[in-house]
Amino acid sequence: GAVVSQHPSWVICKSGTSVKIECRSLDFQATTMFWYRQFPKQSLMLMATSNEGSKATYEQGVEKDKFLINHASLTLSTLTVTSAHPEDSSFYICSSWDRGSDEQFFGPGTRLTVL
Amino acid sequence: KQEVTQIPAALSVPEGENLVLNCSFTDSAIYNLQWFRQDPGKGLTSLLLIQSSQREQTSGRLNASLDKSSGRSTLYIAASQPGDSATYLCAVRESNDYKLSFGAGTTVTVRA
Repeated sequence: GAVVSQHPSWVICKSGTSVKIECRSLDFQATTMFWYRQFPKQSLMLMATSNEGSKATYEQGVEKDKFLINHASLTLSTLTVTSAHPEDSSFYICSSWDRGSDEQFFGPGTRLTVL
Repeated sequence: KQEVTQIPAALSVPEGENLVLNCSFTDSAIYNLQWFRQDPGKGLTSLLLIQSSQREQTSGRLNASLDKSSGRSTLYIAASQPGDSATYLCAVRESNDYKLSFGAGTTVTVRA
């Protein structure tokens, strides 16, 4: 299957700071990427759909000013958690949609801990 | 809104036993259904993808069935091994959309 990378794999930050997470599609061009968050022992919840060259589409209840998404190229989407608070601590996973195979491929995830 | 449920939430079996994991969904108008494996602290690995027109898919010791009309899918893992210990997630993609709706997962422990 296709390869999707995320960076960093884990990050610890102080409350009030901003954190940027990168999601890269390594071997195909992805016009559409997705951002999920996962709390311990819970399932993945879709946060937003990231479309190359246009604004992201956020799911109900997700604050777009807090979770900034940028999809400036066909292989890179970034999620910035602004003014992070301890309740933002979670596992964030991205996926890229490959039009060729019509499948989503998932990154390895980023563990965010806000102190 | 599509609701995906996985039962049981956790399962512990001795090595060699066959595993049966269940997934149900509320809206049968699906495009496909996918089973994933997730190891602790890791991302998702796709195991099997079943298109809505298919009844089952097989890969090695894994077999997944799909009954769209009743809103159910079952993942069978034959002759389980300790390396099969992980959380298994099912996800449904609805028709005319590319979003996935996930179940909460079944955490499997295979005892040596």
